[in-house]
Amino acid sequence: GNSVTQMEGPVTLSEEAFLTINCTYTATGYPSLFWYVQYPGEGLQLLLKATKADDKGSNKGFEATYRKETTSFHLEKGSVQVSDSAVYFCALTHTGNQFYFGTGTSLTVIP
Amino acid sequence: KAGVTQTPRYLIKTRGQQVTLSCSPISGHRSVSWYQQTPGQGLQFLFEYFSETQRNKGNFPGRFSGRQFSNSRSEMNVSTLELGDSALYLCASSPLTAGTQETQYFGPGTRLLVL
Repeated sequence: GNSVTQMEGPVTLSEEAFLTINCTYTATGYPSLFWYVQYPGEGLQLLLKATKADDKGSNKGFEATYRKETTSFHLEKGSVQVSDSAVYFCALTHTGNQFYFGTGTSLTVIP
Repeated sequence: KAGVTQTPRYLIKTRGQQVTLSCSPISGHRSVSWYQQTPGQGLQFLFEYFSETQRNKGNFPGRFSGRQFSNSRSEMNVSTLELGDSALYLCASSPLTAGTQETQYFGPGTRLLVL
């Protein structure tokens, strides 16, 4: 079946540090892959997405590349800010428009 | 365009009661999905509606039900509430103009507390 495995948190980084949150998936065929971000007390916001192998999604300094050979979609940012503190969810969708989410990774950035 | 709206934002109920949550999707979006988010279980898919029909259903008991109206607005109902139903309920909409695998856009959620 379809599933997403995401790096366990919480993650604590100093401002301007490099961020990587690992995400791997299991799916047949060619799913679309997403990263969503959830700020405290809010719903999920789309951060970036990729719809086919080798695509790179990017937004607000965050990037992730769809790697079919390693079934991965790791999230990276070169220099995190305090305002990036949030919970990050990796997700995939395949046929039928059903989304499968990872468990979420909490990120705290300290000044 | 206005985003996905959910009402109410907060709700307190007691065990045994029932509750109805409402979701208005982004204008033009035809698919609405519901999720339950809890600290222990994360985000769990409840069901998805498209053109007033339930297309997908997650692994939840029959106490959880939903419906979609002709204007794409959706409601979900939980009957005979249990303490474990306390959660953030998230609604998401997508346009589905190009078939499947489309982005879902989330509302702010309804936080339900069952006492």
